[in-house]
Amino acid sequence: NAGVMQNPRHLVRRRGQEARLRCSPMKGHSHVYWYRQLPEEGLKFMVYLQKENIIDESGMPKERFSAEFPKEGPSILRIQQVVRGDSAAYFCASSRGTLDTEAFFGQGTRLTVV
Amino acid sequence: GNSVTQMEGPVTLSEEAFLTINCTYTATGYPSLFWYVQYPGEGLQLLLKATKADDKGSNKGFEATYRKETTSFHLEKGSVQVSDSAVYFCALSGGGADGLTFGKGTHLIIQP
Repeated sequence: NAGVMQNPRHLVRRRGQEARLRCSPMKGHSHVYWYRQLPEEGLKFMVYLQKENIIDESGMPKERFSAEFPKEGPSILRIQQVVRGDSAAYFCASSRGTLDTEAFFGQGTRLTVV
Repeated sequence: GNSVTQMEGPVTLSEEAFLTINCTYTATGYPSLFWYVQYPGEGLQLLLKATKADDKGSNKGFEATYRKETTSFHLEKGSVQVSDSAVYFCALSGGGADGLTFGKGTHLIIQP
């Protein structure tokens, strides 16, 4: 049973470009969470999705960031017109239910904006 | 809102030393509490958890007890190894839709 798969592991984008981060949850998991980890910081919740629905996006910046979890395929975190401050590690977690059940994390995507 | 405070790092210890990493929380209701570990270049792995007051979570020699009266969930290990060197995150879940609330992490360095 493969774990949570994120790709790419490393992503370099120039300012103004778009970044697409992918997350395939564990088999049987329909809940996906995205977190951002800035240098020397803990993880900050961004968004919680279930299949085809955004449940809570209270941690998402209001502009340039969007997320989806389609019926088929991975969850996508999309950052438009990236800026240097977007440089961070982005982690995806999945669970069977809400996070009172165990959440499994992917290895993260490290985004560098140059 | 929910918050987690854990001791600042880095924490540097010699092999076989006793480890305590403090964690306190603020939350409404009755959260579940977690410790996650992040090895260099890796994602987070669940180390242990406790879902109600006085529960003790344990794994790989690590332990933490859910103390509601002191709102704490301190991580302990009796004898650390070099391989325990990692960043440790304390977290809570209120069971709602806003995911886990994490502390800032404590970098643990174990010297041989």
